[in-house]
Parts: sequence; structure tokens; C-alpha cells
Amino acid sequence: DGGITQSPKYLFRKEGQNVTLSCEQNLNHDAMYWYRQDPGQGLRLIYYSQIVNDFQKGDIAEGYSVSREKKESFPLTVTSAQKNPTAFYLCASSMSATLNTEAFFGQGTRLTVV
Amino acid sequence: AQSVSQHNHHVILSEAASLELGCNYSYGGTVNLFWYVQYPGQHLQLLLKYFSGDPLVKGIKGFEAEFIKSKFSFNLRKPSVQWSDTAEYFCAVAPFGNEKLTFGTGTRLTIIP
Repeated sequence: DGGITQSPKYLFRKEGQNVTLSCEQNLNHDAMYWYRQDPGQGLRLIYYSQIVNDFQKGDIAEGYSVSREKKESFPLTVTSAQKNPTAFYLCASSMSATLNTEAFFGQGTRLTVV
Repeated sequence: AQSVSQHNHHVILSEAASLELGCNYSYGGTVNLFWYVQYPGQHLQLLLKYFSGDPLVKGIKGFEAEFIKSKFSFNLRKPSVQWSDTAEYFCAVAPFGNEKLTFGTGTRLTIIP
């Protein structure tokens, strides 16, 4: 099936540990995104990538890092510098928002830091 | 940098009522506009989008939205809602020539049978 796969669905980590969330797409999309969804705050953009080996900070990039070494993969690392990491994380991809193509979303990863 | 405002946080309607959800954006240039919906337990999916041309766009499930450039608005409408429209609705904007896709805070819609 074509789509976006995020893994794992649930993730628990101890405070102070870095953790990496996986996002893979087989849609041959150029653009990929990471959002954080918190109740009452909608989707806030963490990082986005328009093309392989290039990415830009979104609105809340502090405490996060990404890489885009392959077109189909855009992993997100939540570092110990992120002050409030417990949240629902959504990955998305699109052919091109500039060309008005829609974004497709993964099922999300719920990260809980204890 | 662009931003999106959705002023209605939670809307409760009876079935067959008419719906209008507000969306305003701030960005000085040309934009592409989107409405997404998230049904309970499901992925976000596209309802409709505006790129250029007719400012009144029609989407799936009887939804439509009107782009009013002078008001920086892209409000979502449906003439008669159904119980199955209960969901969270998100407005999003992407500046032309840039892949930065920014979402609003969302509006939770509850339809009472």
C-alpha cells in the first residue's frame, strides 16, 4: 500500500534521553513535514524538508533535530533539550504545497516522557 | 512568516443546521489554502483546497469554502450538517513558492442528532 508509516505508535522514554521517531513514505513525495499536535494548539510545525539533503526549521524547532538523507525517510529526534516533549507527533508528505497538492499524514506517534 | 487563525474552538450544532467555520491567515503574498478534517481515530485528510481561479471551491462531502483576498479569509461552509460531520477541522496555508505548510489551531465540531 502507498502511504506514510510512522513508528512506533506509542513510545515511552525517561527524562533526559534522546529519542528518534521514524517516518517513511513510498509516495515519491518531495516535501516532508513534522508536526506536534497538542490539545487546543492545533498542529505546530517542527521541521520541514522540501528536497533530499535539505530541511528548514518550522515554528517550534528548539529541542528537535531531523535529517533527510533519503527521499523516503525523514526521522525526527527529540532531544533532552526539549522542555516539554510529551505530545502526539505527526509526519506528513506532499508532492508540493507550492503546486497545491495535498499533504498525506501518518497515523502519528504518541511520545510520553516519564 | 505566515500564520493561521481559527477563532471558533468548539462548535456545537444540531443536524441539518448550516455551518460556517472561520479561517483567517496573515501573509502578504500569494498563498495556497487548504481545509483538512480529522475524524475521531482517523488520519487527517483533505477536504478542499484553493490555488487560483474561482474563489469558491467545492470539496468532498458537500463542503465548500470561499477565498476572500481582501479579508485574508478562507471560511468553510456546509448548508446542512450531518451527525457524521463530527470531527476536528483544520485550516492550513502555504505561501506560493515555499513548502512551509502552516496549520491553525483547529475547530472541534460536534453535531447533535
